[in-house]
Amino acid sequence: NAGVMQNPRHLVRRRGQEARLRCSPMKGHSHVYWYRQLPEEGLKFMVYLQKENIIDESGMPKERFSAEFPKEGPSILRIQQVVRGDSAAYFCASSQHPDSEQYFGPGTRLTVT
Amino acid sequence: QKEVEQNSGPLSVPEGAIASLNCTYSDRVSQSFFWYRQYSGKSPELIMSIYSNGDKEDGRFTAQLNKASQYVSLLIRDSQPSDSATYLCAVKDTNAGKSTFGDGTTLTVKP
Repeated sequence: NAGVMQNPRHLVRRRGQEARLRCSPMKGHSHVYWYRQLPEEGLKFMVYLQKENIIDESGMPKERFSAEFPKEGPSILRIQQVVRGDSAAYFCASSQHPDSEQYFGPGTRLTVT
Repeated sequence: QKEVEQNSGPLSVPEGAIASLNCTYSDRVSQSFFWYRQYSGKSPELIMSIYSNGDKEDGRFTAQLNKASQYVSLLIRDSQPSDSATYLCAVKDTNAGKSTFGDGTTLTVKP
């Protein structure tokens, strides 16, 4: 049973470019969560999605960030016009139910130059 | 006050000793509690979940929950150098989906 998959594992973008991060949940999981971890800091919740629905986006910055989880395909976290402060590790997690354990993918490490 | 607080450490124990990691939380409606281990440069790995007051044991790990005191802990018996990592405490409300994480405690087990 494949775990949570994320790609790319490393992403380098220049300031002003767009970053697209992909996440495929664990088989049988329909709940997806995105977290961000800045260097030497803790994990911060960004957004919680189910298929075709955003359930909770209380942790998403108001501008430049968006997320989707379409009926077919992976969940996408999109960052427009990236700035150096966006450099971080972005982790996706999935769960079978909203109150069950979350399992994390390997993460995407975004570097903005 | 942070929602989930952990001692940042570093916590250093000799090999074979018991490591005790503590976590307090502020939201009384929190119902689900998790401990993750994160090695440097890697993603968090779930090691324990606990939902009811009391102790839950899994191998060398024991999670303890006291909802009245809003306190959850993780004990690691017979600590090994491979246990050296950052341990993250996470809490969430029933059906809330998102987890709120503490900043983690860094554990070093010295051979």
